[in-house]
Amino acid sequence: KAGVTQTPRYLIKTRGQQVTLSCSPISGHRSVSWYQQTPGQGLQFLFEYFSETQRNKGNFPGRFSGRQFSNSRSEMNVSTLELGDSALYLCASSLEGGGIYEQYFGPGTRLTVT
Amino acid sequence: QQQVKQSPQSLIVQKGGISIINCAYENTAFDYFPWYQQFPGKGPALLIAIRPDVSEKKEGRFTISFNKSAKQFSLHIMDSQPGDSATYFCAASFRDDKIIFGKGTRLHILP
Repeated sequence: KAGVTQTPRYLIKTRGQQVTLSCSPISGHRSVSWYQQTPGQGLQFLFEYFSETQRNKGNFPGRFSGRQFSNSRSEMNVSTLELGDSALYLCASSLEGGGIYEQYFGPGTRLTVT
Repeated sequence: QQQVKQSPQSLIVQKGGISIINCAYENTAFDYFPWYQQFPGKGPALLIAIRPDVSEKKEGRFTISFNKSAKQFSLHIMDSQPGDSATYFCAASFRDDKIIFGKGTRLHILP
């Protein structure tokens, strides 16, 4: 089975712009979670989607949003980018009912905000 | 109360030695404690996980020791190999809800 794929792998944006990141889960996985990884804060949970509905949300401002499509693919959007949004954004998928217990991570999208 | 404190930040171990990474938590409602391994340029990969009703779980060279009363758990890597050099994260979660990660330990195994 193919693993979790994320596109693009690298992205450079300017402060104030918005960005959309994409995640394709492992075939058959219906839960998709997003994480932000930075050297200072480590790995932080953003949100989880299951069957096109946001099921859980971390402590991030409303500039961070996401959605999930009927094929379980997910997108994450960050509006009005700030320098502090520079990070590795990771997507993880799991089987129905697996939630966060049996997650498989993608390689991440490295976002740099200048 | 939501924090998971991980130590040490970095660790150097001789090949064949035992690598030990520790984590401590506050929230007694946590019911799932996984460890993840991350190589440069890759996403984290689930290594091994434990529930609080078990004091130890072993998978190959990797063992989790869990001390419920002390609210601590640790990862032991036996016969450490250069290929084990990576960053390791402990984590905790409850009710299949959001997961809290430790800050990570950068492990380097000397050949």
